[in-house]
Amino acid sequence: DAGITQSPRHKVTETGTPVTLRCHQTENHRYMYWYRQDPGHGLRLIHYSYGVKDTDKGEVSDGYSVSRSKTEDFLLTLESATSSQTSVYFCAISPESLSNQPQHFGDGTRLSIL
Amino acid sequence: KQEVTQIPAALSVPEGENLVLNCSFTDSAIYNLQWFRQDPGKGLTSLLLIQSSQREQTSGRLNASLDKSSGRSTLYIAASQPGDSATYLCAVTGANSKLTFGKGITLSVRP
Repeated sequence: DAGITQSPRHKVTETGTPVTLRCHQTENHRYMYWYRQDPGHGLRLIHYSYGVKDTDKGEVSDGYSVSRSKTEDFLLTLESATSSQTSVYFCAISPESLSNQPQHFGDGTRLSIL
Repeated sequence: KQEVTQIPAALSVPEGENLVLNCSFTDSAIYNLQWFRQDPGKGLTSLLLIQSSQREQTSGRLNASLDKSSGRSTLYIAASQPGDSATYLCAVTGANSKLTFGKGITLSVRP
């Protein structure tokens, strides 16, 4: 597996609480991505980063923020979690944006918001 | 907006059968197409990546084809085995560099 670690792997929390998910890579790839996977929707891009402090929105960014202070770490924050954000969250990395190398994915974080 | 469709959503076959998984996409202006495998509780593992200028890619018992003009790709699995049971996802990279995923086909290979 490409060196991607997501933490925590599982989390249960309550509506209205802040939540931060972490993605750590050891590949020194420039691009990092956060996706959510939901039944009936497939994987959808939340936010992505193209370098330290450089981030942009994806398809479903409302209610989420991200930060990247180091090449190896990309954080996803739910400022005030809602039940609709219950999902499985995946981090992915890529050396370039338009690359003919595949994106590599972490094992995911299963987040339940009660 | 790009849409990627994978039909059927689930497939069950006996061991040893050759099978074809289909993927269609609405916008032919793609950079590449990828097939991924996902096991339960796990992330996605890239199986094959076909560049937009290519027609097919092969890896072991897997062969993926791409017909960009018709917006179709197929993943051929030869001599299926129970260990091939997983969800297979197709994804296209658009000119905006974003991946658009299909919802996947859940394959069960019966011993």
